[in-house]
Amino acid sequence: AQSVTQLGSHVSVSEGALVLLRCNYSSSVPPYLFWYVQYPNQGLQLLLKYTTGATLVKGINGFEAEFKKSETSFHLTKPSAHMSDAAEYFCAVREINTDKLIFGTGTRLQVFP
Amino acid sequence: GAVVSQHPSWVICKSGTSVKIECRSLDFQATTMFWYRQFPKQSLMLMATSNEGSKATYEQGVEKDKFLINHASLTLSTLTVTSAHPEDSSFYICSVDRNRNTEAFFGQGTRLTVV
Repeated sequence: AQSVTQLGSHVSVSEGALVLLRCNYSSSVPPYLFWYVQYPNQGLQLLLKYTTGATLVKGINGFEAEFKKSETSFHLTKPSAHMSDAAEYFCAVREINTDKLIFGTGTRLQVFP
Repeated sequence: GAVVSQHPSWVICKSGTSVKIECRSLDFQATTMFWYRQFPKQSLMLMATSNEGSKATYEQGVEKDKFLINHASLTLSTLTVTSAHPEDSSFYICSVDRNRNTEAFFGQGTRLTVV
């Protein structure tokens, strides 16, 4: 079964600083990869996705992620953090055989003024 | 606009009672919907896959008789927590897929508190 690892349950940055949230997956074939954001007591909102094509994917709110097959990684970045970016972020992979979404454990991003 | 509508957004019930949560696909017909449970500060755990016109597929460890799922139409799936207990208190989220290589669309979630 596929798995998703998010290193760092909490990440704190200053406003304006670079945001880097790490995600590694286990898969023998190129998977479909997603990053979602969750605000308190709300559902999940898609930030970006990788299915095929360009490995650098741009999403909403200035976020982007790069699919690196050799490293089995799909790290999320944003050049300059904003206070409104404070939330929980989940990396997910679509399981090839079942189409189920497998989520990482999540990373809570805090942004300090 | 919202693609998936989940109702209610929060509910408080007494121990021993049952609670029904609705998940509606607003934008397209969905033969499959997914139900997740999320504990505080934790990730989403898939509970079951809801299949229109047939029985739901439950994940290992999820009690079928406890969490009843009905997918009576292509736009509506319901999750009923039967004989609720305080340990059932959690955040429940549904999702719908348009197709496998697109993202899942999530409802806004339901906060269940059993007292």
